[in-house]
Amino acid sequence: KNEVEQSPQNLTAQEGEFITINCSYSVGISALHWLQQHPGGGIVSLFMLSSGKKKHGRLIATINIQEKHSSLHITASHPRDSAVYICAVSSGSRLTFGEGTQLTVNP
Amino acid sequence: DGGITQSPKYLFRKEGQNVTLSCEQNLNHDAMYWYRQDPGQGLRLIYYSQIVNDFQKGDIAEGYSVSREKKESFPLTVTSAQKNPTAFYLCASRTTGLSSYEQYFGPGTRLTVT
Repeated sequence: KNEVEQSPQNLTAQEGEFITINCSYSVGISALHWLQQHPGGGIVSLFMLSSGKKKHGRLIATINIQEKHSSLHITASHPRDSAVYICAVSSGSRLTFGEGTQLTVNP
Repeated sequence: DGGITQSPKYLFRKEGQNVTLSCEQNLNHDAMYWYRQDPGQGLRLIYYSQIVNDFQKGDIAEGYSVSREKKESFPLTVTSAQKNPTAFYLCASRTTGLSSYEQYFGPGTRLTVT
């Protein structure tokens, strides 16, 4: 069993839909990260959080430390949101990554 | 602009040849990392370095080597001993302060070995 599990693996939505991607982890962490990887391969950091909730534009990330679970929400999804979304957890100086969720938003 | 550069973006090599992937950062970060990404799998740590002239093996270090002679540079050599070298390679860096867990990623190098 992976230390970081994401669901779903693949997600297809229509433009405007509300999207949720889930992440569960089984180890102690310093922080949890949500990353975005576009088809070209480069990765950008969306959120880093250790408690509660963060919001940036149409993106919202929440974490429940007791349940070892985090969610990434996208409101009013748009085709440009199509990408792979990766959950990762910090432990010491290292990150452990989930396998990613491939999101496709159709117009 | 500060950031991480990796070159080249695409690299092709014949089996049995060593190849070196470049990673340079001008963010003044102490720690640097090399990851490998394969289809359907999460990123896996190859090597990391938290300070100049020091580095540690990650989870899949066999067949790879690194050096850290300068703070801004962390090249990765894929040796002929790596059994399955074709993959996407990502370099990352971060500071090492108390609240510095965020890693910054380079654009990646896609290596194809035939």
